Amino acid sequence: EVQLVESGGGLVQPGRSLKLSCAASGFTFSNYYMAWVRQAPKKGLEWVATISTSGSRTYYPDSVKGRFTISRDNAKSSLYLQMNSLKSEDTATYYCARPLNHYFDYWGQGVMVTVSS
Amino acid sequence: DIQMTQSPPSLSASLGDKVTITCQASQNINKYIAWYQQKPGKAPRLLIRYTSTLESGTPSRFSGSGSGRDYSFSISNVESEDIASYYCLQYDNLYTFGAGTKLELK
Repeated sequence: EVQLVESGGGLVQPGRSLKLSCAASGFTFSNYYMAWVRQAPKKGLEWVATISTSGSRTYYPDSVKGRFTISRDNAKSSLYLQMNSLKSEDTATYYCARPLNHYFDYWGQGVMVTVSS
Repeated sequence: DIQMTQSPPSLSASLGDKVTITCQASQNINKYIAWYQQKPGKAPRLLIRYTSTLESGTPSRFSGSGSGRDYSFSISNVESEDIASYYCLQYDNLYTFGAGTKLELK
């Protein structure tokens, strides 16, 4: 059974950093691109980052480019999201998701990040 | 960047009704659209991919259609378990979600 379990969320002050983790199991992690998607409270979904199987290619929307960094450790079947220079508008539930033929087929349960002073 | 215009933002239906949600892309997305269901406090669930292909476990009352820039998603015979928010996702060029449609019971 595919499982994606996020961790590392919490309350952080504006301008500070936070690193999220996602532990994957139930599939061969190294064979799949991986992604992060977020959802602000009572708002819609927003794609945040995607990483290739080897980690050599990464993709971001303009809203987080230069501030967020996606990475992975295939030996640990783990995905990460380093978030720097956090803003109040980054407050959201962050989901780890697996792209299959590009669309997201499996999602984690999400982890909450609150950016506030 | 591709924009996705999803409508309506909310929908009120009676049990047994048929409802339809539309998504219009800012450019041709070559049928690369998926539809997700999300219930409060839960992660999104993939229902349909590549415009009209139902995921395993998706009831047959759900359907999708469209081409080019215009796509639709329908639920025939709405059931109580269908009360949720629905999102479209284009994955032709990176990713863009629609703003969502909240389905409520009338």
